[in-house]
Order: sequence, then structure tokens, then C-alpha cells
Amino acid sequence: QKEVEQNSGPLSVPEGAIASLNCTYSDRVSQSFFWYRQYSGKSPELIMSIYSNGDKEDGRFTAQLNKASQYVSLLIRDSQPSDSATYLCADRNSGNTPLVFGKGTRLSVIA
Amino acid sequence: DAGVIQSPRHEVTEMGQEVTLRCKPISGHDYLFWYRQTMMRGLELLIYFNNNVPIDDSGMPEDRFSAKMPNASFSTLKIQPSEPRDSAVYFCASSLGPSPLHFGNGTRLTVT
Repeated sequence: QKEVEQNSGPLSVPEGAIASLNCTYSDRVSQSFFWYRQYSGKSPELIMSIYSNGDKEDGRFTAQLNKASQYVSLLIRDSQPSDSATYLCADRNSGNTPLVFGKGTRLSVIA
Repeated sequence: DAGVIQSPRHEVTEMGQEVTLRCKPISGHDYLFWYRQTMMRGLELLIYFNNNVPIDDSGMPEDRFSAKMPNASFSTLKIQPSEPRDSAVYFCASSLGPSPLHFGNGTRLTVT
């Protein structure tokens, strides 16, 4: 049974700080990894995808992947109150298979 | 593009009643997914279609659940009879091949 594990939080950080969100996955053949943000009462929206070991940066967001450790993380620099949301990690083990989601980590950025 | 469209946005029904959720995927997308989200279990895949054909329905919890995709622009998820434990937010999502999922706004189902 494929599993994606996340700390449910809440993770509280002060405005302007770096928020670090972590995720582990059980399926060694997973090929691609995604971070979705979900505001309360809204649908998930994709913010980052990563396919290779290392770091991938997009604005204030950095995704980090370590396939040997089966670990994915998302760093949010200069956190803003508008970043307060639940962040869902997901993986996929081949091009057309469905995403498997973690239960999400709730992030609260305190002004 | 209008995105993935789901209806209704909210559904409140009594135990034992039939519930039908509807989804219109993004035009041109060849994959359609039905997910269910609860606090306890998170976002779970129920079933997905490729080119209107069901590929994997192993996530459908019971025979009370059924899904159809009669054409490329419409899918339904039906629960008959509904039970209180079916209360959740049901999301439909679509994609073009392996491209990222686009989610609809979801249907919040409450079964009393």
C-alpha cells in the first residue's frame, strides 16, 4: 500500500520566517512529486513539482527531493500570512498513474 | 477556460437517499479522477477514467458507490443508498496525460 506521510501540524511560523514542510513516501519507484496548497474550504492547487534529486526553486518556494531517503520537502521563504493553508504532498510512480496524497500539513503564519 | 466544474457545491440528504454528484472536466483533458477528502483519511482516490473508460475503481469503498463517464465532457458519481459516514468533500479533477491535476471546487456532502 503506497503511503505518503506528513506531519499534520499545525506548524506556526512568524511572518518573514522560513517555513519548512516535510514529507516521506513509501513507494521506492515513485518518479514525480508535487506540492499542493489548499486554503480552507477551497480545492487543492499545484504550487510545485519536482522530479529529480536536489532543489528546485520558484520564487519564494523551494522543493527538495532526496530519493535515497524517500523524502521531499517544501521551503517557503519570507512567509506571509497569505501562505496560511494546508500543504499537501503527493507522489506518482509513473507518467499516467494517479497521485497519492498525504493528509497535509496545516501552516499558520503569524503576523 | 472555466476549469473543472462540479455540481452541486453542497448537498444535504438523509440516510438512505440516492446522491448524484456531477463533474465537467476541462475540455481536451483525457483523464478524470474522483477523490474524497475527510479530516481522518485525507484525500483518497475513488476511481479514475482515461478516455471515458474506468481504469481503476479499487478505491470505491463499497458497492453503494458507482461512477460513470458517458462522454468526454461529463462524469457522475452516485451513492445509493447514502450513509452518514459518506459525509465528505468530493473532488473531481482532470488532466491531460501526465500533466498536473486540475481540481474542481468540490461538492460538500452531508448525510444526516
